[in-house]
Amino acid sequence: EAGVAQSPRYKIIEKRQSVAFWCNPISGHATLYWYQQILGQGPKLLIQFQNNGVVDDSQLPKDRFSAERLKGVDSTLKIQPAKLEDSAVYLCASTVQGFSGRGGGELFFGEGSRLTVL
Amino acid sequence: AQSVTQLGSHVSVSEGALVLLRCNYSSSVPPYLFWYVQYPNQGLQLLLKYTSAATLVKGINGFEAEFKKSETSFHLTKPSAHMSDAAEYFCAVNIKAAGNKLTFGGGTRVLVKP
Repeated sequence: EAGVAQSPRYKIIEKRQSVAFWCNPISGHATLYWYQQILGQGPKLLIQFQNNGVVDDSQLPKDRFSAERLKGVDSTLKIQPAKLEDSAVYLCASTVQGFSGRGGGELFFGEGSRLTVL
Repeated sequence: AQSVTQLGSHVSVSEGALVLLRCNYSSSVPPYLFWYVQYPNQGLQLLLKYTSAATLVKGINGFEAEFKKSETSFHLTKPSAHMSDAAEYFCAVNIKAAGNKLTFGGGTRVLVKP
């Protein structure tokens, strides 16, 4: 079974530029998440999708961050304009729909996209 | 709201010694609890999870964790550290009522000395 795919793995941009990250979840996983992991900290949830609808975006800085999940499969996270403090690893994760069953609340993570803002 | 606290941002152990990583959670309802490991430049890999079955949970690479409701703890242990255990470890909580999302602790970086 293929895992969660993310690209690009690394991106370096200057502040005020824009950047986009792409995620392809595990096949059949209805729920998709984007987490931000700043160096030395635990991952923080930015946005959660259920199919192509947003479940929780309360922690997403909406003045500069946007995310979409068209057709309920792939997702894109965009930052425009980027700030220095956006330097982080952006992790995409997915899980089966619902909380019960073999999923048991476990999330499956991609390898992340590391962003450096200069 | 749920939260997770990991005591100690860095832990140094000698090869062959006991590894003990501490995790305490806050939740008003029974949680699902997880330990993930992250190697440099990689994503998060599940070590083990507690989902209301046995309180002593065994995971991969010789790790295990015990759920103690009275102490709201889910500490991770491994009897004998190996050099390959050097990584960052994250404790996380998932609560059904909160919408099936993981809340992570701050992480503990493990250094293994030869």
